[in-house]
Amino acid sequence: KNEVEQSPQNLTAQEGEFITINCSYSVGISALHWLQQHPGGGIVSLFMLSSGKKKHGRLIATINIQEKHSSLHITASHPRDSAVYICAVTGNQFYFGTGTSLTVIP
Amino acid sequence: EAGVTQFPSHSVIEKGQTVTLRCDPISGHDNLYWYRRVMGKEIKFLLHFVKESKQDESGMPNNRFLAERTGGTYSTLKVQPAELEDSGVYFCASSQGYGVGGYTFGSGTRLTVV
Repeated sequence: KNEVEQSPQNLTAQEGEFITINCSYSVGISALHWLQQHPGGGIVSLFMLSSGKKKHGRLIATINIQEKHSSLHITASHPRDSAVYICAVTGNQFYFGTGTSLTVIP
Repeated sequence: EAGVTQFPSHSVIEKGQTVTLRCDPISGHDNLYWYRRVMGKEIKFLLHFVKESKQDESGMPNNRFLAERTGGTYSTLKVQPAELEDSGVYFCASSQGYGVGGYTFGSGTRLTVV
């Protein structure tokens, strides 16, 4: 069992929809990261969280330390949001989820 | 500010050959990390440098992999001899502090062993 579990694995949405990607982890952490990888591209760090909520443009990330759970929300989704979104946590080392492949259809 | 740079972006080698991947971190970042993603699996940690010292190399799969960071600047990851199962994308990241501050990832090196 992976230390970081993401759901769903694959997600298809219509442009404009509100999207939620979930992440649960089983290890003690100092921070949780949401990362984005476009097809053929490198990895971009979207958020680093240790508590509460962060917002950047149409992206919102929340974390509940007690429940060991985080969510990434995308409001008013757009085709350019299509990418793989990866949850990762830093504790004793860096653990990654398998990623959620998001496709936003125009 | 220049980001984390990795060379080459793609490499195709034959089984048994040697390949060296390079990572140039953001200037001033003491922490440098190597990760890899093999087909269909999650990204896995390989090792962590603090300056030129190996802080944690627990993720290195076997002794065919050798990482160095001479002078605490750029790092190399050598695979010798390469095996088919080494194929994947190798990512490098750097940060100023461990567990705090931002991590910046490189765009990765896609290694294909045939």
